[in-house]
Amino acid sequence: AQSVAQPEDQVNVAEGNPLTVKCTYSVSGNPYLFWYVQYPNRGLQFLLKYITGDNLVKGSYGFEAEFNKSQTSFHLKKPSALVSDSALYFCAVRDIEIGGQNFVFGPGTRLSVLP
Amino acid sequence: DGGITQSPKYLFRKEGQNVTLSCEQNLNHDAMYWYRQDPGQGLRLIYYSQIVNDFQKGDIAEGYSVSREKKESFPLTVTSAQKNPTAFYLCASSIDHQEFNQPQHFGDGTRLSIL
Repeated sequence: AQSVAQPEDQVNVAEGNPLTVKCTYSVSGNPYLFWYVQYPNRGLQFLLKYITGDNLVKGSYGFEAEFNKSQTSFHLKKPSALVSDSALYFCAVRDIEIGGQNFVFGPGTRLSVLP
Repeated sequence: DGGITQSPKYLFRKEGQNVTLSCEQNLNHDAMYWYRQDPGQGLRLIYYSQIVNDFQKGDIAEGYSVSREKKESFPLTVTSAQKNPTAFYLCASSIDHQEFNQPQHFGDGTRLSIL
């Protein structure tokens, strides 16, 4: 069965500093990995995905994520945080094994960027 | 602009009452989904539909029902059998449920509360 863990409920970072939001996953096959962002009382917005190829994936709003197969991780990063990045971030995984076709979402990490 | 429209934004349910949440998309997507979001639990899949006139139960389908009579529309009914309906409900769509590398697109949600 698929599962996703986001070990930090909350991440605080000062504006201008680099940020990392952590995600680890468990799948029985090859993972398809996604990051989404949610602002208050809004739906989820897609940021980036890893399907295959280069382990460093670039996405929207200056975010990137690094896929690490040996550590089963897919951490979200940004070199310089903005106050407007403050939001709830979700990691999600799919694999193509039978029975694992649905998205599985992590519990979310709340990012606060302090001015 | 293409997207997903959920209505109403806020909904209140009385004891013993069924309520229906609307979800309409103009993205020409085949697949549609309903998720329930509770604080600290991420998103949990209620139902999904791969094509018109077909739908499948997700992880927490008890107390909910859906229909898919048109490609654009996927309404969710929260029945009186759902004893804890208070949550934020999100509708999503994707090009094709079997296209594993494609992200989901989300509406802005309906917040349901009990009176």
